[in-house]
Amino acid sequence: GEDVEQSLFLSVREGDSSVINCTYTDSSSTYLYWYKQEPGAGLQLLTYIFSNMDMKQDQRLTVLLNKKDKHLSLRIADTQTGDSAIYFCAESFYNQGGKLIFGQGTELSVKP
Amino acid sequence: EPEVTQTPSHQVTQMGQEVILRCVPISNHLYFYWYRQILGQKVEFLVSFYNNEISEKSEIFDDQFSVERPDGSNFTLKIRSTKLEDSAMYFCASSEEAQLLETQYFGPGTRLLVL
Repeated sequence: GEDVEQSLFLSVREGDSSVINCTYTDSSSTYLYWYKQEPGAGLQLLTYIFSNMDMKQDQRLTVLLNKKDKHLSLRIADTQTGDSAIYFCAESFYNQGGKLIFGQGTELSVKP
Repeated sequence: EPEVTQTPSHQVTQMGQEVILRCVPISNHLYFYWYRQILGQKVEFLVSFYNNEISEKSEIFDDQFSVERPDGSNFTLKIRSTKLEDSAMYFCASSEEAQLLETQYFGPGTRLLVL
């Protein structure tokens, strides 16, 4: 079945890099996503990667996909206090009405 | 920037009561979704809706749940007879298409507490 797992918490110092990890079970996923949720707000799409790619870079964000290990990571370079939020990994599948399968979210705390 | 809105932000209800959660999707979007997140658990897909029909639904979305687009702007989730385990944050989302990679825009959520 479809399952996505993330660690619950990560704490880093401002200026360091953050790496948030995610594992998934269903290798038929087509796209994998990272969403960000700030307090009181909805889920905001940060970035995505197509399942046949290994890496995608988007400014301070780097997504790495290891399809063999079914492991996805999000690296945030030069982490700022404004990056403190909950980060959700999600996957989607072809022909399933746009359904997203989410992990439980990783709470990133950035200390000054 | 257009956004998805949800009302109310919080709702407390007694077990067995009916609740209606409301969402106003982004105006030119055609696909609508409900997700929920029980405290401490994952965000779970409930249902997707297009052209006044359910496109996909999960096992959670049983006969107690229904969705409706009663007019051109609102999209509602009704829970007919709430149970304690329905307590969760409910997120509405919308997208222009249901194609893969079509961004789903999420509302801020309604926190439902069933007593």
